[in-house]
Amino acid sequence: KQEVTQIPAALSVPEGENLVLNCSFTDSAIYNLQWFRQDPGKGLTSLLLIQSSQREQTSGRLNASLDKSSGRSTLYIAASQPGDSATYLCAVCPSGTASKLTFGTGTRLQVTL
Amino acid sequence: DTGVSQDPRHKITKRGQNVTFRCDPISEHNRLYWYRQTLGQGPEFLTYFQNEAQLEKSRLLSDRFSAERPKGSFSTLEIQRTEQGDSAMYLCASSPGGQANEKLFFGSGTQLSVL
Repeated sequence: KQEVTQIPAALSVPEGENLVLNCSFTDSAIYNLQWFRQDPGKGLTSLLLIQSSQREQTSGRLNASLDKSSGRSTLYIAASQPGDSATYLCAVCPSGTASKLTFGTGTRLQVTL
Repeated sequence: DTGVSQDPRHKITKRGQNVTFRCDPISEHNRLYWYRQTLGQGPEFLTYFQNEAQLEKSRLLSDRFSAERPKGSFSTLEIQRTEQGDSAMYLCASSPGGQANEKLFFGSGTQLSVL
């Protein structure tokens, strides 16, 4: 059974800092890995999707990497802003037939002024 | 607003009652997914539809749960004889063409509280 772990569970940084969120998964037979953002009481917003054949994806200040063989992914956020405060979830997709994602428990990020 | 819409946003019910949630996906999205999220946890897959066909159900979806997507557009999720353990956020998501390398678009969820 696939298990996804995210470390740390919570993180507080001052505005402007660069930061890295970690995600690990136990079964390397994945189709893709996705990072999502969730604001309190809200749904999820897709940030980045990395296919299993890719090493990284970038969108603005966000960069996600994938090391499939070691079962690890990182989300790098550059020059953090208070508006980045949210919970960040990573999820792996086990097959090419459907987005039956297995999620981690998330990292709760707070960016302070 | 052309995003995924869920109704109601919040539902409080007494144990043993039936509840029904509705999800309107993004127009012309063929795939529709239901996930459940409990406090402090990541979402868990429940079921998904390709157009009107329900293609897979998770073991989490007991016999008290039923989902439909009758015309391949909106979907409903019904829980019969609710239990306190059903309290969770129920999230709906949709994707365009049915390929797993597509991003999912999530709604804001329905928060269910069973008293």
